[in-house]
Amino acid sequence: EVQLVESGGGLVQPGGSLRLSCAASGFTFSSYWMHWVRQAPGKGLVWVSRINSDGSSTSYADSVKGRFTISRDNAKNTLYLQMNSLRAEDTAVYYCARASEDYGDFAFDIWGQGTMVTVSS
Amino acid sequence: QSVLTQPPSASGTPGQRVTISCSGSSSNIGSNYVYWYQQLPGTAPKLLIYRNNQRPSGVPDRFSGSKSGTSASLAISGLRSEDEADYYCAAWDDSLSGGVFGGGTKLTVL
Repeated sequence: EVQLVESGGGLVQPGGSLRLSCAASGFTFSSYWMHWVRQAPGKGLVWVSRINSDGSSTSYADSVKGRFTISRDNAKNTLYLQMNSLRAEDTAVYYCARASEDYGDFAFDIWGQGTMVTVSS
Repeated sequence: QSVLTQPPSASGTPGQRVTISCSGSSSNIGSNYVYWYQQLPGTAPKLLIYRNNQRPSGVPDRFSGSKSGTSASLAISGLRSEDEADYYCAAWDDSLSGGVFGGGTKLTVL
């Protein structure tokens, strides 16, 4: 079964750090670009970051640039999001998503279930 | 404030046709493909439309997308109760060098 499973969310104090993981299975992970998308409670979707298939190219939303780092380990079929200097406004459900090879680079055809990150003292 | 602008809500009765608009600019919708996502309550989003007007396999043909200039729209015909969900448009933005989503439209089936 093709699936993405996020982990690593939790409660962290402002200024703290957290690393999210996204384990992929059922497909050739190393062939796909991957993204992180977040959703604050009761709010809409916000794109966070993307990484190309071999990890050599990354992009970030302005709101997280310089604080978050996306990476991947193709040998472990795992996507990561290192989040530093966390702020209250980073509180959200974080989804990892696969960009479809067939439908376009912003067509996310597989999503994880999401992991909740809460930044609060 | 989202880069792509959607109406916060829309509604219709079963069997009706409803449209949801998405307004952007030359750096996003005007120069890149538009995608639409459906998010049912408590679940992850699902890809509904790709490359402006294409449906992934498994998406009913009641759903259709279109794009003109810097605006796009999603149309749902033969409205059903199970279509009650949040709908989001999305595109790449060349000026931001990043992805952008609309604020989302909550569709209510009366």
